[in-house]
Amino acid sequence: IAGITQAPTSQILAAGRRMTLRCTQDMRHNAMYWYRQDLGLGLRLIHYSNTAGTTGKGEVPDGYSVSRANTDDFPLTLASAVPSQTSVYFCASSASADTDTQYFGPGTRLTVL
Amino acid sequence: GQNIDQPTEMTATEGAIVQINCTYQTSGFNGLFWYQQHAGEAPTFLSYNVLDGLEEKGRFSSFLSRSKGYSYLLLKELQMKDSASYLCAVEDSNYQLIWGAGTKLIIKP
Repeated sequence: IAGITQAPTSQILAAGRRMTLRCTQDMRHNAMYWYRQDLGLGLRLIHYSNTAGTTGKGEVPDGYSVSRANTDDFPLTLASAVPSQTSVYFCASSASADTDTQYFGPGTRLTVL
Repeated sequence: GQNIDQPTEMTATEGAIVQINCTYQTSGFNGLFWYQQHAGEAPTFLSYNVLDGLEEKGRFSSFLSRSKGYSYLLLKELQMKDSASYLCAVEDSNYQLIWGAGTKLIIKP
């Protein structure tokens, strides 16, 4: 079944550690996104990629980095995790960056202690 | 600044009708989305409006008034499985989605 997968499902991480959240889609979508979702707040865009080889900063990019080496994969890296990065992280993709429905992965629940 | 407002929580009865409102102020407008999110799961697409008026899709309908910066999601013949959060999102002039905090809908028998 086509879709988006994320790994890990959940993770507990010590502050200061490096962590990469993985995201893979098999729909050949050009655009991909990373969001974080916190209680009482809307989804907030961290980084995005309109096409393979390009990335851009969203609303809350500090402390995070991304790469887009190919169409399918869009990993999100926390270089040195801090407790404020405790959140649920969703990866999403859309056929194109312009006015196309975004489809979401199942999410990664990250706790930084 | 950009802002999406929707009620935090609503309660309705199984079999009834409920309307979830969303008002927005954004830099530009390229469309409005509604998503459903069950607890612990990912958001899933429900509807998209770019022109004024009502879009009907089965038990769910979505309305848009661009001049008023207003949308609503109408759910008819409510079922227990409709208990979820409903997220309103506006695509701004940069084609980025600005999300509301979501409305938690509780369905009672």
